[in-house]
Amino acid sequence: EAGVAQSPRYKIIEKRQSVAFWCNPISGHATLYWYQQILGQGPKLLIQFQNNGVVDDSQLPKDRFSAERLKGVDSTLKIQPAKLEDSAVYLCASSLAARGQQETQYFGPGTRLLVL
Amino acid sequence: GNSVTQMEGPVTLSEEAFLTINCTYTATGYPSLFWYVQYPGEGLQLLLKATKADDKGSNKGFEATYRKETTSFHLEKGSVQVSDSAVYFCALNPGANNLFFGTGTRLTVIP
Repeated sequence: EAGVAQSPRYKIIEKRQSVAFWCNPISGHATLYWYQQILGQGPKLLIQFQNNGVVDDSQLPKDRFSAERLKGVDSTLKIQPAKLEDSAVYLCASSLAARGQQETQYFGPGTRLLVL
Repeated sequence: GNSVTQMEGPVTLSEEAFLTINCTYTATGYPSLFWYVQYPGEGLQLLLKATKADDKGSNKGFEATYRKETTSFHLEKGSVQVSDSAVYFCALNPGANNLFFGTGTRLTVIP
């Protein structure tokens, strides 16, 4: 079974530029998550999708971050404009379950972003 | 609120030593508890989980028991190997299917 795919693996941009990350979850997984992992910290949830609907974006800085999951499969996360403090690893994860159930999340390899 | 506190690292052990990484949590309701591992250059992988009090999760020689009375989920392994060198994350799912992670503990095992 293929795992969660993410691209690109690395990205270096200058502050105020825009960047987008792509995620393809495990086939059949209804729930998709984006996490931000700053160096030395644990991952922090940014947004959670159930199929193509948002169920939790309370931690997403909506003035600069946006995400979509068209057709309930792939997802993109965008930052516009980027700030120095956005330097982090952006992790995508997916799970089978609907919201409210407790299921294992499977993580992709992450995209490492450096903002200069 | 929901939060996880892990013992601070880094932890350095000799091969075949006993490992304990402490994890305590604060949660509303009855969370599921997880240990994830991140090997060098790789993504997060589920190591083990427990979904209710007194459950024991185990995998690859690692074990953790869900202790509701002490709100703990300590990770243990009887004899570590060099290949166990990684960063270990304790996490909880409070039931809304999102994960709250600890800050991670880096383990280095030397031959």
